[in-house]
Amino acid sequence: AQSVAQPEDQVNVAEGNPLTVKCTYSVSGNPYLFWYVQYPNRGLQFLLKYITGDNLVKGSYGFEAEFNKSQTSFHLKKPSALVSDSALYFCAVRDPRPSGSARQLTFGSGTQLTVLP
Amino acid sequence: NAGVMQNPRHLVRRRGQEARLRCSPMKGHSHVYWYRQLPEEGLKFMVYLQKENIIDESGMPKERFSAEFPKEGPSILRIQQVVRGDSAAYFCASSPVRDTEAFFGQGTRLTVV
Repeated sequence: AQSVAQPEDQVNVAEGNPLTVKCTYSVSGNPYLFWYVQYPNRGLQFLLKYITGDNLVKGSYGFEAEFNKSQTSFHLKKPSALVSDSALYFCAVRDPRPSGSARQLTFGSGTQLTVLP
Repeated sequence: NAGVMQNPRHLVRRRGQEARLRCSPMKGHSHVYWYRQLPEEGLKFMVYLQKENIIDESGMPKERFSAEFPKEGPSILRIQQVVRGDSAAYFCASSPVRDTEAFFGQGTRLTVV
């Protein structure tokens, strides 16, 4: 079964500093990996995905993520954090293998990012 | 192109009543997913549907919960005889094909009193 771990419930960073939100995954085969952001009382917004190709993936709002197969990680990064980046971030994985049933997204428990002014 | 539309945004039900949650996927999307988010928790998969077919309902409780995605109209998540533990945010997502990202609606927040 596929799984995702986000080891930090909370990440605090000062505005202008780089930020990293960690994610590790477990899936058989080559994974499809995703990052979503959730603002209070809102749905999830797609940030970026890794399917294949370059290990460094660039997404919305200046975010990027690096796929590391040996460490089974897909950490989310941004060079310079903004106060408006404060939100709940979810990492998700999908098993790409045909399974006969759905290959639904499996989400991590989320990391609350707070960017301090 | 409107996004995934869910209604109502907020729903209050008394214990024992029925809750009906609606989801209209993005135009051109034929895959619909329902997720539940309990307070302070991540999203848990419930059910995956295509038009007129349930593909995977492995995350949905066997009793009281049902889902459909008819040929015409929105997808419906139905919870019968609601209990306090059903209180949660229910999110619908859609995608055009399976191997792409899913786009989420803003959710329906169900409160059972």
